[in-house]
Amino acid sequence: GENVGLHLPTLSVQEGDNSIINCAYSNSASDYFIWYKQESGKGPQFIIDIRSNMDKRQGQRVTVLLNKTVKHLSLQIAATQPGDSAVYFCAVAGRSGGYNKLIFGAGTRLAVHP
Amino acid sequence: DGGITQSPKYLFRKEGQNVTLSCEQNLNHDAMYWYRQDPGQGLRLIYYSQIVNDFQKGDIAEGYSVSREKKESFPLTVTSAQKNPTAFYLCASSPGQGYEKLFFGSGTQLSVL
Repeated sequence: GENVGLHLPTLSVQEGDNSIINCAYSNSASDYFIWYKQESGKGPQFIIDIRSNMDKRQGQRVTVLLNKTVKHLSLQIAATQPGDSAVYFCAVAGRSGGYNKLIFGAGTRLAVHP
Repeated sequence: DGGITQSPKYLFRKEGQNVTLSCEQNLNHDAMYWYRQDPGQGLRLIYYSQIVNDFQKGDIAEGYSVSREKKESFPLTVTSAQKNPTAFYLCASSPGQGYEKLFFGSGTQLSVL
């Protein structure tokens, strides 16, 4: 099965700094990865995704890096703002219980301080 | 405005009662999903449906039931057999089966009275 873990449950950063949120996965056959942002009491919002044929993808202020060798995924947020405060989840495409699905990590809470 | 609508936002269940959570989407997506979220944990899949009139159990289906009579609707019933129902329930949809990104609703918080 797939295990998806995050290195830190909480990350505190100063406004304007860059943030890096990490995620490890266990299945080397995983080929699709997503980052979601979830604000308190709301549903997760898509941030960025990447397929296994890439090792880096950039969006607006966000970059996802994929290291397939060590099965590690990271989300980098540039110039972190108070509005970035939320829980961030990585999700990995995998096979579990006999079917294909996205497997979610437990989440990292990002706290941005002024 | 396209999206996924979950209702109600908050729901309370009495002992031995069945309750139904609503999920409606107007994205014309084939696949729909129900997830359960407990504090400090990731999302766990309850049920999913890839097409109308068909659905499959996820990892934690016991104590739950679903139906998919219409493409745009995927209601979840939390039955009295679910002994620990307090959680945040999220409905999601995607264009089809597979690894496409999921679009989530705003969630329903279910609590036990």
